Amino acid sequence: ETGVTQSPTHLIKTRGQQVTLRCSSQSGHNTVSWYQQALGQGPQFIFQYYREEENGRGNFPPRFSGLQFPNYSSELNVNALELDDSALYLCASRGPAGELFFGEGSRLTVL
Amino acid sequence: RKEVEQDPGPFNVPEGATVAFNCTYSNSASQSFFWYRQDCRKEPKLLMSVYSSGNEDGRFTAQLNRASQYISLLIRDSKLSDSATYLCVVNPGGSYIPTFGRGTSLIVHP
Repeated sequence: ETGVTQSPTHLIKTRGQQVTLRCSSQSGHNTVSWYQQALGQGPQFIFQYYREEENGRGNFPPRFSGLQFPNYSSELNVNALELDDSALYLCASRGPAGELFFGEGSRLTVL
Repeated sequence: RKEVEQDPGPFNVPEGATVAFNCTYSNSASQSFFWYRQDCRKEPKLLMSVYSSGNEDGRFTAQLNRASQYISLLIRDSKLSDSATYLCVVNPGGSYIPTFGRGTSLIVHP
């Protein structure tokens, strides 16, 4: 197992609502990144945190925001949910060689 | 042109076959490369890193061709359990923000 845990595993929201997804990263890994994976597509990079600071962001609007805490756990917040936000959201901690260790993901459905 | 491109497949092969996937990347400054395996509705899992000299892990061989900007994955003696989607990942270096391909689907049948 990767040691990366995510919660919740599944959730259903309606358009306009807000959601918070959580991730506990592997011990000793201080870089965490979040991805959105739509059905049939590869994971799309949302943003990355290193020692509580965002140090990289993909092509996602500001309503996607995040936090990293001193214990390296992390949150992804999405405001004003849209139908297209329905996807698998993956959190990954980064190993020393740049390899990624993923959690099982949070599957979000927006109705 | 997409940063990382993969043929989505599916590649449909019989058990025991040898199958190869390629992945092309556009950023010539890319520094590290990986193959991940993703089972249906599961998270991606690291299969292997790709080194400049090529590397092998059992039935799996990964190679990097910097001149032509592609990486490859060769699977020998395919097993039913190899059925999955194989994702290529390229790191541009610096901030190590990786770019994923959309994945190549492999179906191994009896």
